Amino acid sequence: SSELTQDPAVSVALGQTVRITCQGDSLRSYYASWYQQKPGQAPVLVIYGKNNRPSGIPDRFSGSSSGNTASLTITGAQAEDEADYYCNSRDSSGNHIGVFGGGTKLTVL
Amino acid sequence: QVQLQQWGAGLLKPSETLSLTCAVYGGSFSGYYWSWIRQPPGKGLEWIGEINHSGSTNYNPSLKSRVTISVDTSKNQFSLKLSSVTAADTAVYYCARGYAPYSSDKKRIYYMDVWGKGTTVTVSS
Repeated sequence: SSELTQDPAVSVALGQTVRITCQGDSLRSYYASWYQQKPGQAPVLVIYGKNNRPSGIPDRFSGSSSGNTASLTITGAQAEDEADYYCNSRDSSGNHIGVFGGGTKLTVL
Repeated sequence: QVQLQQWGAGLLKPSETLSLTCAVYGGSFSGYYWSWIRQPPGKGLEWIGEINHSGSTNYNPSLKSRVTISVDTSKNQFSLKLSSVTAADTAVYYCARGYAPYSSDKKRIYYMDVWGKGTTVTVSS
């Protein structure tokens, strides 16, 4: 399958913890990578691999995976975390086709 | 620090060919997957395809018949051509660097860590 499924919208109170999930058959073979996108800006990689953060990404961002589900957790959400979040992996067909989830709009209340 | 700079025509008529180029500055060109992604207005990200330094390509099956991605290693550039465009191809187009490092785990790793700023392409008669 080449589909990754995300909840369209999630909200979190300022300072609380939120989990954004991504489901798909390809996630049994690949770790999801996660991207944050703010309006008018290019996506930014926030999590890759088992649970790795690129330089400059705050440690309140973490990732996990189990079976066909990947999760992005923000512990102590900040106002600046309000954004769209996309998961991504390769298709499980073995043909090296990239696939994105539909995106989750995170609102920080 | 690797940077991607992209450019190309921003306004096309239906049936024309979209052409974009992305230049890679400050890093190695080999060992990566040089990718194109697009985002229609108000919608999510769509992976278009990728190429490596030796010219091996992978394309989104839904666009494969119209897409060509090429590479010029002498200039550290890669390009996207999308033929027979329609209004449905109106989008912001991004170039990005993809990487698939070795994984000792059961699961493989793939991510895109460097992105261009995006080029808005509008298809309108």
